[in-house]
This record gives sequence, structure tokens and C-alpha cells, in this order.
Amino acid sequence: NAGVTQTPKFQVLKTGQSMTLQCAQDMNHEYMSWYRQDPGMGLRLIHYSVGAGITDQGEVPNGYNVSRSTTEDFPLRLLSAAPSQTSVYFCASRLGNEKLFFGSGTQLSVL
Amino acid sequence: EDKVVQSPLSLVVHEGDTVTLNCSYEVTNFRSLLWYKQEKKAPTFLFMLTSSGIEKKSGRLSSILDKKELFSILNITATQTGDSAIYLCAVKNAGGTSYGKLTFGQGTILTVHP
Repeated sequence: NAGVTQTPKFQVLKTGQSMTLQCAQDMNHEYMSWYRQDPGMGLRLIHYSVGAGITDQGEVPNGYNVSRSTTEDFPLRLLSAAPSQTSVYFCASRLGNEKLFFGSGTQLSVL
Repeated sequence: EDKVVQSPLSLVVHEGDTVTLNCSYEVTNFRSLLWYKQEKKAPTFLFMLTSSGIEKKSGRLSSILDKKELFSILNITATQTGDSAIYLCAVKNAGGTSYGKLTFGQGTILTVHP
């Protein structure tokens, strides 16, 4: 019973590097989303998807891309990492209007 | 723009104390309010509230919603060190799709000392 699986758990990047955070869920949830969590700012929505082939921007989308080719996977791409993207990233999914299920998070440091 | 404000931002208590965490909101087309507990990593779901005045309870934790005054409280009685965590409040609006939009507050950091 895996739920929402995120990889990697930790990552250190240099400014300008690109990388992809992986997210997969096995609950057949249509809705998937990416959040970043910074001290004192709660969770802020980066991008979300309501189904395969459909994505939309959240509150803080700049510098990030997403795609949703399958129901299960929702990767988040950092195009050119910046120190301001140092944060903890969470992937989350839900079925309709039910509660969100979160992945275990990725701690990203950009030097 | 939707807004969720939690207070206090941090709280330190001793085991056995009772705490009340607050969440106020300004949301267009309110649908539900959710509470999450975040210990080391992923937030875990506590309660979802949709109707005013109906208390939700789970063990020592309880929560209630006031849709007229636009706030919710989360009560924890007889606190234990295992209650130490960040407590997150989130409000869902009806949004442009059937999925709605979830807005999180800043969180309350609760520390329970033995």
C-alpha cells in the first residue's frame, strides 16, 4: 500500500542546474499537486493537475514545469535552479473533494 | 485572494496542558476546512469540517467550525510529547473545477515538554 511516493528525499544542486522531482501515486487519484514549504509561509501550491494531459499553475509556478502523461505520475522539473528554490517540496493527491494524501517530501538545497 | 491565518505561530506547553489552536479564513465559495498534523515529514490528515457547530473528535483532539465568524479551533487535551508537531489548517473553496482550491495557513508549531 504505497500511497504517494516521492523521490529523491534529499538533493543538493548548484545554481543553474536542472533536475526532476518524481511523484507517483497508486490510488488512482485524478488530482495531483506540488507544494513547497518554507518557514513561516505554510504550504504554497506550485502546480496541479486534474487528470492525465491536464495541468495548471498554482500560486508560485515560476521556475517550475510539470507534465501529466499518466494518472499515476506527476513529475516536477526545475529548469534552472536558483537559491530561492531551496525548500521542502511535497507532492499530494486526492480523489475528488476528499482529503489530500502527501508524499514524504524532498528537501532541496540550491547553492 | 483566499487567505488563511493561524494563531499562535508557536506554542510551548508542558505535558498534561490543554491547548487551543486557531484558524481564521477569508475564502470565496467556502467548501470545507481541514486540519493536518506534520511531525517529521508528510502532513497527516486529522479532520475535515464542512458544517458549523458540529464538533469532530478523535481521542484527545477535537475541532469545530464557525462559518458565520469564519474560524475554526483545534483543541488538544492532556497533551503528550507525541503531540509536538506543526499543525496546519487549510481551507478548500469551490474553485473553477469540481476539485476546488486548497489554501494553507502558516501553521502552528506546538512543542510539548515532559
